[in-house]
Amino acid sequence: GEDVEQSLFLSVREGDSSVINCTYTDSSSTYLYWYKQEPGAGLQLLTYIFSNMDMKQDQRLTVLLNKKDKHLSLRIADTQTGDSAIYFCAEMTGGGNKLTFGTGTQLKVEL
Amino acid sequence: DVKVTQSSRYLVKRTGEKVFLECVQDMDHENMFWYRQDPGLGLRLIYFSYDVKMKEKGDIPEGYSVSREKKERFSLILESASTNQTSMYLCASSGVRYEQYFGPGTRLTVT
Repeated sequence: GEDVEQSLFLSVREGDSSVINCTYTDSSSTYLYWYKQEPGAGLQLLTYIFSNMDMKQDQRLTVLLNKKDKHLSLRIADTQTGDSAIYFCAEMTGGGNKLTFGTGTQLKVEL
Repeated sequence: DVKVTQSSRYLVKRTGEKVFLECVQDMDHENMFWYRQDPGLGLRLIYFSYDVKMKEKGDIPEGYSVSREKKERFSLILESASTNQTSMYLCASSGVRYEQYFGPGTRLTVT
């Protein structure tokens, strides 16, 4: 089946780097995505990576993709209190008609 | 910027009422989606639509129907609301890399 797994919680100090991990099972996924959800809000697309890439950097965000292990990670450099949120990874499935979302990782940034 | 709007942020309805949740996107996207989000259960796909008047069931369609009469508008209908439909409802539309853009969500309470 198609299952996307993430750890539930991550706590970091302000200014440190955060690394949020995700494993997926559908090796045919063409795109993988990271979303951020703040309390009471919808999901905000942060970034995506094409499956033939190993890494993508976008300002403070770095996405690493290990296709062999089906492992995706999101690194947030210089984490700020405003980064506190739930982060979801997602993979494209069903030929692009659907995304399968992970369970979400709650990131807490402490002063 | 892609904009997805939902008709209400908060809604309180009584058991047995018919409920309409409306979603509008301004990017001429063909695919639109309805999800519900519940603590511990993540995002679950209710229905999606890949064209006007076309729809497909997602993972949990029971108790719901949808309508897509115009490309920019996708409506979710609860024919007879029940308390177990109390949830956060999220609408999305998808772009050229199948990335999904979400609305702000509607928190529905059925009493």
